[in-house]
Formats: sequence, structure tokens, C-alpha cells
Amino acid sequence: GAGVSQSPSNKVTEKGKDVELRCDPISGHTALYWYRQRLGQGLEFLIYFQGNSAPDKSGLPSDRFSAERTGESVSTLTIQRTQQEDSAVYLCASSLEKYYGYTFGSGTRLTVV
Amino acid sequence: DAKTTQPPSMDCAEGRAANLPCNHSTISGNEYVYWYRQIHSQGPQYIIHGLKNNETNEMASLIITEDRKSSTLILPHATLRDTAVYYCIVRSYNTDKLIFGTGTRLQVFP
Repeated sequence: GAGVSQSPSNKVTEKGKDVELRCDPISGHTALYWYRQRLGQGLEFLIYFQGNSAPDKSGLPSDRFSAERTGESVSTLTIQRTQQEDSAVYLCASSLEKYYGYTFGSGTRLTVV
Repeated sequence: DAKTTQPPSMDCAEGRAANLPCNHSTISGNEYVYWYRQIHSQGPQYIIHGLKNNETNEMASLIITEDRKSSTLILPHATLRDTAVYYCIVRSYNTDKLIFGTGTRLQVFP
């Protein structure tokens, strides 16, 4: 596609529920990244996928967070048993290779009530 | 990766050049300087990156000092649409991910 697509754009969920966020990277981009941005704060790295290599999960804040990617296509970020502190914008980015500039999606705004 | 230091905020008059500084005094030889910006409610946007030579593209110019301990991003003719948070990031080619700091909030005024 022309850009990185994320869905849904907004998600309101009740505390304790599971949510799944989706990212469609630019076709042909081998690297895919997830970041989190809380209100008024900077971007926190969550996880990185590069081709068929094992993902770098070093930024995931707890075992409630997980992510998968099928080959070099769609990725899903799953948050189990959501908490209010999970409220944030979740941003996905992809790049042609890891050295190139990233293209970010518009993000999913998650609100846990 | 080397840490960067940026002023928290800057103002610039529309039509004038915006010069955004970044200090990266602990940068090492294989580390690149990247600049991104984030306009309100949008994902960050890649602007430019460089190693030691000055770089220019359709968006901006990047000036890196000879000792590579600091750099300046130049927007030659700032517009209101350039109002955003600008992030300076130092990254080696051995590092898979970009680590964002708090950036500089640039306000362009009429």
C-alpha cells in the first residue's frame, strides 16, 4: 500500500478485556516496529520484527503484551487484561531495511476505562 | 547509542529559517544522526539523516560539526505546517531500533 495502515484508529475498552491492534506495513518493507506514546510523552519502543529473524521483544512492558507478524506482512499487537495505564497511542512503523528511515502509521488510540 | 540533548522548545517566524540544534557529544564513529518530526496527532515523519557530511533534501538540511558532537537541522523557510516536535536521534548501523527522546517543540508563528 501507499503507507502504513493501522486499525482500528480508536479503541475504547473496559479494564480487564483483551485488545488486538493491527498494522499493515508498506509492501516490501522487511522491518516492522511497534511503539507506544502516552499522552504528552515521547515514544517508547515495544518490539521489532526483521524478516524471519526472532523479534526483538526487549521493549514489551509486561507479559500481558505480545505481538506477531506473518512473514513480511501484517502484524498484530495483543494486550491481555488491559489496565488503565495501557491507555496510549500505539504506533506502528515499517522500513525497507532496518537502516532506512521509518514510515509510521497514524496510530491506534487506546483508551482503557 | 549516544544520547542527545535538545532544547525543549523554540519559536520561529513564518518564512524565516528554523535552526534546531542537537548535542550528541558521546557519538561514536559508526553512529548516524537521524531527524524525525511529529505533527500533532500524527505518527512521526522521517526528515533526514547523515553520518559526517552535510545533507540536504527537499524537506531540510542537516549540518554536522566537524567533530560530530553536535548538529543542526535547518528548515530554510518555515511555514505554519512545520509546527511540530522535532526529534534528533543517534543510531548505529548495529542497532535495530530508534530510541526517541523528548525532542524540541517548534512553534512557527505568523
